[in-house]
Amino acid sequence: KAGVTQTPRYLIKTRGQQVTLSCSPISGHRSVSWYQQTPGQGLQFLFEYFSETQRNKGNFPGRFSGRQFSNSRSEMNVSTLELGDSALYLCASMAGNYGYTFGSGTRLTVV
Amino acid sequence: DQQVKQNSPSLSVQEGRISILNCDYTNSMFDYFLWYKKYPAEGPTFLISISSIKDKNEDGRFTVFLNKSAKHLSLHIVPSQPGDSAVYFCAASGKNYGQNFVFGPGTRLSVLP
Repeated sequence: KAGVTQTPRYLIKTRGQQVTLSCSPISGHRSVSWYQQTPGQGLQFLFEYFSETQRNKGNFPGRFSGRQFSNSRSEMNVSTLELGDSALYLCASMAGNYGYTFGSGTRLTVV
Repeated sequence: DQQVKQNSPSLSVQEGRISILNCDYTNSMFDYFLWYKKYPAEGPTFLISISSIKDKNEDGRFTVFLNKSAKHLSLHIVPSQPGDSAVYFCAASGKNYGQNFVFGPGTRLSVLP
């Protein structure tokens, strides 16, 4: 079966702009989580969606938001981009309390 | 305050020898632990897990040990192979289904031929 698909793979944006990232989970997986990876910080949890509802949220400012659609696809939005938002954004889907299957990520560069 | 710590940012091991990656956690509510491996330009891939009711779980060359009293777990890779060179993340979770996983900062393993 297809894995977790994230689009786009790479993105360059200017400070102050906004960006939307997309994630399609594995078919049948209803939980989608988003993580930010920066060098030395590991993976920082952004939020988790389950059945179109945000179930958990990490410690990120309100500029970071997300949503999930009825087909479990999820989008993440970052408004008023800052240079420090440059990172690899990873989406993961999960079925059962077994662990994540991650996508390949979207590399966001803010200039 | 990091709840999951991997104090070694990097580790180099000779091919064929044992690699030992360590992870410490502070939250006593964590009861499920996983290790992920990440290659450049790819997402992390699940490697092995252990629940708090066990102190050891083995899968081929990979063994994870859990010491609950010390809040410490370790991943052993025997024998190490050059293809094992990657960043390894330790992750922990609590009892609630769907609770987010807390990841450590990762350890970069280099297996030298």
